[in-house]
Amino acid sequence: NAGVTQTPKFQVLKTGQSMTLQCAQDMNHNSMYWYRQDPGMGLRLIYYSASEGTTDKGEVPNGYNVSRLNKREFSLRLESAAPSQTSVYFCASSEAGLAGEQFFGPGTRLTVL
Amino acid sequence: GEDVEQSLFLSVREGDSSVINCTYTDSSSTYLYWYKQEPGAGLQLLTYIFSNMDMKQDQRLTVLLNKKDKHLSLRIADTQTGDSAIYFCAEKMVYGYNKLIFGAGTRLAVHP
Repeated sequence: NAGVTQTPKFQVLKTGQSMTLQCAQDMNHNSMYWYRQDPGMGLRLIYYSASEGTTDKGEVPNGYNVSRLNKREFSLRLESAAPSQTSVYFCASSEAGLAGEQFFGPGTRLTVL
Repeated sequence: GEDVEQSLFLSVREGDSSVINCTYTDSSSTYLYWYKQEPGAGLQLLTYIFSNMDMKQDQRLTVLLNKKDKHLSLRIADTQTGDSAIYFCAEKMVYGYNKLIFGAGTRLAVHP
């Protein structure tokens, strides 16, 4: 099992450009998440998908959109990138059980100039 | 409100024990987690404790939970250089979806 995979690993954008971050999991998990990690701060939830066909906003959704393409894949789109979106982005997935342990991908390091 | 706080940095000598502390504010949390992040990598779940437990031990790791003080700690026995990483405390809320609130992380540096 590959677990949670993310592409790309690194990306540099200019202000105003758009891009989509891809995430896939092979653990048959129902729930998937997108976080951003900024220096000196914990991970903050951008969007999540409790199950295939549903998506909801997290703490910091502004400037982002998501698509839950199928059970395996959950993408994050930046329509018009801004320097404030420079961050490391992590995708995670979890089973719906009581503990609900989340498994994380390796991250995408995004720089917006 | 929801908040998880950790000290930002800890330095220990190889072979000593490390204790990383965390405080949280929401008493309705159900599970509390410790994640490890090595440089350039994603977060890896180390261990977790259910909120009605006081202690959990897993090999070199011991988690202590003081619900009254809303204080969680992670003790790593016989700390090795491979333990150098950032450690995140997180709490899972009882309501809604599987939401985790993360602390800012504690950077553990292990020196010879």
